[in-house]
Amino acid sequence: AQSVSQHNHHVILSEAASLELGCNYSYGGTVNLFWYVQYPGQHLQLLLKYFSGDPLVKGIKGFEAEFIKSKFSFNLRKPSVQWSDTAEYFCAVKGNDMRFGAGTRLTVKP
Amino acid sequence: DAGITQSPRHKVTETGTPVTLRCHQTENHRYMYWYRQDPGHGLRLIHYSYGVKDTDKGEVSDGYSVSRSKTEDFLLTLESATSSQTSVYFCAISAGQLYNEQFFGPGTRLTVL
Repeated sequence: AQSVSQHNHHVILSEAASLELGCNYSYGGTVNLFWYVQYPGQHLQLLLKYFSGDPLVKGIKGFEAEFIKSKFSFNLRKPSVQWSDTAEYFCAVKGNDMRFGAGTRLTVKP
Repeated sequence: DAGITQSPRHKVTETGTPVTLRCHQTENHRYMYWYRQDPGHGLRLIHYSYGVKDTDKGEVSDGYSVSRSKTEDFLLTLESATSSQTSVYFCAISAGQLYNEQFFGPGTRLTVL
């Protein structure tokens, strides 16, 4: 069965630190990959997506993610986080259906 | 904004009572979904619809039913609510390339006492 694993449950960073959130999935076929962000009290918003082509995708607010097919990974990165990036981040994989990871809570200290 | 609204936004109910949550969309999207969000589990699919009167079960469908009599409305019903159904419920639609992108409504926080 399809599954998504996010390695970090809670990440705490200071402003200007670099961010990398891990996401691995298990599925043998073609996938579409997504990162969503959920700010406190709000709904999920699409941060970036990968369908095909260049495995390095850029999203909104300076986020990017790299698809490494051999590792079944789609890690999210940002070179310098801001306090406003405090949120929960969800990786999602669409194979047969859409599956979400458990989420990573990011706290950025000012 | 994909034109999705959910009602009610908050509800407190008692064990054993029926509850219906409504998802309304204004952009004629074919695919609609109901998810529940729980700490440590992310989002899990309850039911989805691929057209009027066409629905199917998701990963955690036990205890839930859905109906879609109009394109714009997708209803989620808890026939007899239990405390394990306390959660935040999100409706979503598919759009974009090959309908692979999902966009979410604002959510309904349901508490079952």
